[in-house]
Amino acid sequence: KQEVTQIPAALSVPEGENLVLNCSFTDSAIYNLQWFRQDPGKGLTSLLLIQSSQREQTSGRLNASLDKSSGRSTLYIAASQPGDSATYLCAVRGETSGSRLTFGEGTQLTVNP
Amino acid sequence: DGGITQSPKYLFRKEGQNVTLSCEQNLNHDAMYWYRQDPGQGLRLIYYSQIVNDFQKGDIAEGYSVSREKKESFPLTVTSAQKNPTAFYLCASRRDTQLNTEAFFGQGTRLTVV
Repeated sequence: KQEVTQIPAALSVPEGENLVLNCSFTDSAIYNLQWFRQDPGKGLTSLLLIQSSQREQTSGRLNASLDKSSGRSTLYIAASQPGDSATYLCAVRGETSGSRLTFGEGTQLTVNP
Repeated sequence: DGGITQSPKYLFRKEGQNVTLSCEQNLNHDAMYWYRQDPGQGLRLIYYSQIVNDFQKGDIAEGYSVSREKKESFPLTVTSAQKNPTAFYLCASRRDTQLNTEAFFGQGTRLTVV
């Protein structure tokens, strides 16, 4: 059964710092991995989708990498801002799990002004 | 605007009552999903549907029921058999289950048992 782990569970940084969020998964047979952002009491906003054949995806100050063979992904946030404060979740779509996504528990990020 | 609409945003249920959460999408997506989110836990899949008039149980389907009579609608009923229904419920959709497409989420419904 696929398991997804996100470390750290919480992270607090000063504004302007570059930071990395980690996501690991136990079964490397995946179709893709997706990073989401969730603000308190809100739904999930899709940030980046990486296909299994890709190594990285970039959107603005965000860069996500994927090392499928080692079961790891990182989300890099450059020049963090207070508006980046949110919970970040990763989810994988496994080759043996059909249409479903398996989520990690998220990293709660606080960027202090 | 295209997107996924969940209603209501907040819902209160008395013990023993059934309640239905609405999820509508105008994205012309084939697949739709219901997840439950509890504090300190990741999202858990309740039910999903890949096509109209068909749906499958997820990991925590007990005490829930769904229907998919129209492509754009996937309502979730929380029955009295669900012993701990207080949670945040999220609906999602995906364009095509055969392709590696993004999943998009609604804004959620917070259900509280009173």
